[in-house]
Amino acid sequence: AQKVTQAQTEISVVEKEDVTLDCVYETRDTTYYLFWYKQPPSGELVFLIRRNSFDEQNEISGRYSWNFQKSTSSFNFTITASQVVDSAVYFCALSDHNYGQNFVFGPGTRLSVLP
Amino acid sequence: DSGVTQTPKHLITATGQRVTLRCSPRSGDLSVYWYQQSLDQGLQFLIQYYNGEERAKGNILERFSAQQFPDLHSELNLSSLELGDSALYFCASSAGEGNSPLHFGNGTRLTVT
Repeated sequence: AQKVTQAQTEISVVEKEDVTLDCVYETRDTTYYLFWYKQPPSGELVFLIRRNSFDEQNEISGRYSWNFQKSTSSFNFTITASQVVDSAVYFCALSDHNYGQNFVFGPGTRLSVLP
Repeated sequence: DSGVTQTPKHLITATGQRVTLRCSPRSGDLSVYWYQQSLDQGLQFLIQYYNGEERAKGNILERFSAQQFPDLHSELNLSSLELGDSALYFCASSAGEGNSPLHFGNGTRLTVT
């Protein structure tokens, strides 16, 4: 069975600090997909990034970066120079390769960035 | 804007009542998912449809039912409502292919009094 673990329930940092959100997944599939979503206090769920299991290249988008390591089944998310607007709940998710897709979400990490 | 439309945005009703939540997926998306998020909780998967057929079921109560219509919009019906059903209900859609992300609607906030 597929599973996503986000061991950090809540993290608090001071603005401009770097912060890493951990995501560990379990799957028996050889082809799968990983995602990160952001849920700000306003409540909507925003898609941030997708990563394919066969592409271990790390990705950087502005202050955001993602580190995918198949060897440790991890897909960690780092925010550099955090800002108050980064305060949100962040969800990591895993989907399979089958038609119709089966998504599994982690429990989320609540990030609070203090001014 | 994710392209997924959920109505209504807010719903206040009494215990024992029945409500219907509606979702229009992004243009071209075949899969529709329903999630429940109680206060300060994670996303609880309820049910998924793919091109009109039920694809997967999660922790959906028997009092809840859903369907996806030929035009691919979906409805989630909640009946015999209880106080504990108060939550944010999200609909999401995807193209249904392995690497397609889920795109979420803004949710329907249900309050049962």
